[in-house]
Amino acid sequence: NAGVTQTPKFRVLKTGQSMTLLCAQDMNHEYMYWYRQDPGMGLRLIHYSVGEGTTAKGEVPDGYNVSRLKKQNFLLGLESAAPSQTSVYFCASTGTANTEAFFGQGTRLTVV
Amino acid sequence: GQSLEQPSEVTAVEGAIVQINCTYQTSGFYGLSWYQQHDGGAPTFLSYNALDGLEETGRFSSFLSRSDSYGYLLLQELQMKDSASYFCAVRSQGGKLIFGQGTELSVKP
Repeated sequence: NAGVTQTPKFRVLKTGQSMTLLCAQDMNHEYMYWYRQDPGMGLRLIHYSVGEGTTAKGEVPDGYNVSRLKKQNFLLGLESAAPSQTSVYFCASTGTANTEAFFGQGTRLTVV
Repeated sequence: GQSLEQPSEVTAVEGAIVQINCTYQTSGFYGLSWYQQHDGGAPTFLSYNALDGLEETGRFSSFLSRSDSYGYLLLQELQMKDSASYFCAVRSQGGKLIFGQGTELSVKP
């Protein structure tokens, strides 16, 4: 059982570059989430999706875009990376009952 | 909007009992959950409360009072391996899942 898989695990970007983080889940979950985690800030919700083809803004959406073209995949895009986007990014998914979230192993992104 | 408040850090000794509190503000409350995260790792689910009262899972228990917008996680018979960060999270209407800033628990010998 793979659960929730994030790629890549590590990445260094130069300011202004773009990239896409991929989250894939094999549990047939409806809900998927992208969070960023910075020291002392907990997990902050960037964007989320309640089903295929839907997306919604979370607490800190600026500078990010997302897409959910397939139920099992949730993509997070950075169009023009900034040093303030240096963080650890976590993807999570939950079923319809939405009681337990399963997390990927995280992506450590550094923007220089 | 939504917000959650929990203490930033707690220290306890092995074998003791510790309680981590969480107060929340949200619209359309559906449930309060708790997660554990060890350094460098992914958060893992501990418990979920949708209704008032106590839920027990082994050494861990979680409590919810919807009228007080308050919950807590109770850890009994503390072990060194329980040293980690603990997050409360609120599920609200529309599918949002918002986390608190986390409580760092240090267990001392």
